[in-house]
Amino acid sequence: GENVEQHPSTLSVQEGDSAVIKCTYSDSASNYFPWYKQELGKGPQLIIDIRSNVGEKKDQRIAVTLNKTAKHFSLHITETQPEDSAVYFCAAIPSYIPTFGRGTSLIVHP
Amino acid sequence: DVKVTQSSRYLVKRTGEKVFLECVQDMDHENMFWYRQDPGLGLRLIYFSYDVKMKEKGDIPEGYSVSREKKERFSLILESASTNQTSMYLCASSFIYPLAGRVSYEQYFGPGTRLTVT
Repeated sequence: GENVEQHPSTLSVQEGDSAVIKCTYSDSASNYFPWYKQELGKGPQLIIDIRSNVGEKKDQRIAVTLNKTAKHFSLHITETQPEDSAVYFCAAIPSYIPTFGRGTSLIVHP
Repeated sequence: DVKVTQSSRYLVKRTGEKVFLECVQDMDHENMFWYRQDPGLGLRLIYFSYDVKMKEKGDIPEGYSVSREKKERFSLILESASTNQTSMYLCASSFIYPLAGRVSYEQYFGPGTRLTVT
């Protein structure tokens, strides 16, 4: 089955810096890669996704890149703000059962 | 907006009790899921359902059962709660749709139920 590795497990940045979270996957059949943000006490919320026919996607301060050859994808957050502090999960989906990374706790210091 | 709701945000039960966690989605999604979330372990799939009355075991089904009598509702049942089932439980629903000649997919989560078994 699919295996997703996510790094780092914890990321601490100063407000205004950029943050990058990386994921690798193993199943070449995976064709959809969502990212979720989970704030304290809440369920994960979809923030951006990328499909296998696209190399990069941007939404304001958030971008995701995908390298299908190397089987890795990354979340980039620019100009970080304290409200970006949360746990971020990546996932890879080869059929309709997603496999999640273990999560990255992002802490943005004011 | 897709809405996935869970019956309780917080629940405290005693060891040996039968526990029901309810999940309802309002977008006519085919697929529904129950996950368990524990620190350092990420999201682990307990059970999923791809249609009414259909269910499949996930990675950690032991000690749990599920019921899907209606498309919009997916219930997780702890037959005899134990302290090692203290956790955050997340329900999700998803749908698959055609997009530009391919199959595409979206999944949405509920707010979670924090269950404590004492």
